[in-house]
This record gives sequence, C-alpha cells and structure tokens, in this order.
Amino acid sequence: GAVVSQHPSRVICKSGTSVKIECRSLDFQATTMFWYRQFPKQSLMLMATSNEGSKATYEQGVEKDKFLINHASLTLSTLTVTSAHPEDSSFYICSAEPRGAHNEQFFGPGTRLTVL
Amino acid sequence: KQEVTQIPAALSVPEGENLVLNCSFTDSAIYNLQWFRQDPGKGLTSLLLIQSSQREQTSGRLNASLDKSSGRSTLYIAASQPGDSATYLCAVLGYDYKLSFGAGTTVTVRA
Repeated sequence: GAVVSQHPSRVICKSGTSVKIECRSLDFQATTMFWYRQFPKQSLMLMATSNEGSKATYEQGVEKDKFLINHASLTLSTLTVTSAHPEDSSFYICSAEPRGAHNEQFFGPGTRLTVL
Repeated sequence: KQEVTQIPAALSVPEGENLVLNCSFTDSAIYNLQWFRQDPGKGLTSLLLIQSSQREQTSGRLNASLDKSSGRSTLYIAASQPGDSATYLCAVLGYDYKLSFGAGTTVTVRA
C-alpha cells in the first residue's frame, strides 16, 4: 500500500516551453501533496505544499507564476513548469500525505526534467 | 528555520564493515525523523521512521537512534554489502508538517 506514482519519469524540452508533471496517490486519498526539487548532489528542497481544492502554498523564493500547481482531486496533483529555462533542469519529486495522517509522507519516484 | 546536517558527506568501506551515518538538526520541535535511501537518478525509499517519543528503530541490519534533546540521530548498518551502496538521507518532520532534509551521505561498499 501507500504507492505514489509520477508521470513522466523523464522529460526533455526546449527552452520556453511548458512541462506538466503528474503526481498520483494510487491506493489512498491525499488531501495534501508536496513538491520538491533536487539539484545534482544536493538534498531535496521543498517548493510548495498542495492542498486539495485550494491554492498551493509556496516556499520562499519559489515563483508561483512559474511553477503552477493544481490539486483538483484527492489522488492527483500536477506541477507545470511554465516557460522552462535550462536552470529549471532538475529532479522533481512529489510526496503525498494520507488523508487524516499528518506525520508521514509517501514519495513518488521522481521526474527528471532537462531543458535544452 | 530547521537545519539538517549529515556527516560525513561520503563514505567508502570494504564489504562486511559496519556503517555509521550521522544526522544532526537544529530545532528539536519535531514530530519524527526518517531515514531514506536514494539510488542514483531514483526516488526515495523509506528505511526507518522514528517518532519523537522513541529512542530507536530497527529493521533487519539497520538500526537508527534518536536523541531529540541533543538534535542527533545515527543510522547503523551492520555487515555492509555492495548492495548497500547508495545515498542515505535524513529528514525531520517539523510542527508545520514540513520535512527538512539533510544533504545526504553517499556510501560506497567495496566488494
């Protein structure tokens, strides 16, 4: 149980295009999902907290107009990187918090984004 | 702001040796601490989760201790194997329900 999937696992795009990454909780409902970014040889940095049915909360320094987050259902959150640039190339990982359980998150396998 | 530090950043040992990975955090107001394993280019695999009221957790060859008051945790891996080669991440869950991660310790176990 407690499986989280991400799609796509890997994406290469041209500079200036937008890319959407999906995060799904497969066997549980998640009122809260989190999006992290990981640069090479660095740790995970929280980008934003996504709550079902409401606006996402962004961490300091993360541009909300560039990283659009939608959490339209209890099993799906999406992250759209708009007008991507090479510096946005990174490993994006999502996690999901089961409904009613605040003290554990289950992580997706990550999405490798490369912007040319 | 919570700061999580992991020492050493990298570790190379011969097969069979025991591994000791350290994690420290600055704010003791945490719900729990978790150790993860990350293979190159992959996501996170949860290894052990220690609640703030607990002192240690064990799973097979893995044992993790937590001293919340001093802001420290140690992950022990007994009788290391080449398959244990990976990056190990420590993360603490704060009262805001946000995880703060350390930068990780990259372990290489030589056959």
